[in-house]
Amino acid sequence: DVKVTQSSRYLVKRTGEKVFLECVQDMDHENMFWYRQDPGLGLRLIYFSYDVKMKEKGDIPEGYSVSREKKERFSLILESASTNQTSMYLCASRTGRRVSPLHFGNGTRLTVT
Amino acid sequence: AQKITQTQPGMFVQEKEAVTLDCTYDTSDPSYGLFWYKQPSSGEMIFLIYQGSYDQQNATEGRYSLNFQKARKSANLVISASQLGDSAMYFCAMREGNSGNTPLVFGKGTRLSVIA
Repeated sequence: DVKVTQSSRYLVKRTGEKVFLECVQDMDHENMFWYRQDPGLGLRLIYFSYDVKMKEKGDIPEGYSVSREKKERFSLILESASTNQTSMYLCASRTGRRVSPLHFGNGTRLTVT
Repeated sequence: AQKITQTQPGMFVQEKEAVTLDCTYDTSDPSYGLFWYKQPSSGEMIFLIYQGSYDQQNATEGRYSLNFQKARKSANLVISASQLGDSAMYFCAMREGNSGNTPLVFGKGTRLSVIA
């Protein structure tokens, strides 16, 4: 079974802090994704990566960056956390097959105060 | 324009009855895939069912089936014989194009409540 692990379930950070959200998958998936989920807005794509050291902006990349130094790990970085980045963050991975679904981690609920 | 539209923010259904959750999509690409996910209150995202644009038959997985109407660009999820454990958020999502590298675009979701 595919396992996508997000390092923290809950995080509380202060405005202006640099925040790292870590995600690891154990199924050798090429593709990894970061979404944020807000009530009434569904899931919105922040960044994705289809290969090591490759990254693509999603729909809402402002204020975020990512790092993918190894195939299994995809990190989301909030350069200077702001209160409007308080949200649930979901990491996901999938293979390169077009029928492949996304496999999600359990999410990180980030609160920025 | 929204790629995925789920018009029902919330729905109620009686236990053991069937329920249909609506999803319409917008794409000009002839090749695409449609996915449904369930998110219980625990927060995990559970993949339910997949329909490819070239699939001749509607997808089914146990109590879940997808009512795929290509001309109307709709991909409604049908849950038969609802159970209390079906109470959750449900998200429709689409992959455009033929590549597995393409991200999924999600709708805003429908919250389903099953009543005993």
